[in-house]
Amino acid sequence: GNSVTQMEGPVTLSEEAFLTINCTYTATGYPSLFWYVQYPGEGLQLLLKATKADDKGSNKGFEATYRKETTSFHLEKGSVQVSDSAVYFCALSDSGGGADGLTFGKGTHLIIQP
Amino acid sequence: KAGVTQTPRYLIKTRGQQVTLSCSPISGHRSVSWYQQTPGQGLQFLFEYFSETQRNKGNFPGRFSGRQFSNSRSEMNVSTLELGDSALYLCASSARGSGANVLTFGAGSRLTVL
Repeated sequence: GNSVTQMEGPVTLSEEAFLTINCTYTATGYPSLFWYVQYPGEGLQLLLKATKADDKGSNKGFEATYRKETTSFHLEKGSVQVSDSAVYFCALSDSGGGADGLTFGKGTHLIIQP
Repeated sequence: KAGVTQTPRYLIKTRGQQVTLSCSPISGHRSVSWYQQTPGQGLQFLFEYFSETQRNKGNFPGRFSGRQFSNSRSEMNVSTLELGDSALYLCASSARGSGANVLTFGAGSRLTVL
């Protein structure tokens, strides 16, 4: 079956530091890949997505590139802010129509210190 | 444009009781999915409804059920509650079902089973 693996953290960084959150996946076919973010007390918000190999998703300074050869979709940001503190989820949707819905990683808790 | 609305936001039940959670999707969205979020298991797919029909179902026991109405609003029901059912239940809607379609999540209903 499908699976997503990501570091769980917490990951603690100083403001303006470079961020990388690793995400690797296992899936049959050609899944679409997503990063969602969850702020305290809220639901998940889509951060970015990529639907095919070598696509780069980007939003709010965050980027992730769909790497089929390494089955990865690492999230990066060049300079993090305190407001980026949240839980980040990597997810995939299989190309067969999403029979299993979205498959999520366990989430990475990011803490940015001023 | 109103987002996905889930009610109630918080509720406390005792073992053996049943619970019904409600989800109103974004206007025009016909697909509604439900997810269970727990610290141990993370986010797990429960089921998806599209145009009043259950399209996909996750690996949960039959105590978990749902339905969708003609106005796309959805409810999920959990019968004979167990302690392990304590979780944040998230509803998400999309314009179409499955695949690479973006899900918009509600803030969730937090269920505590005592």
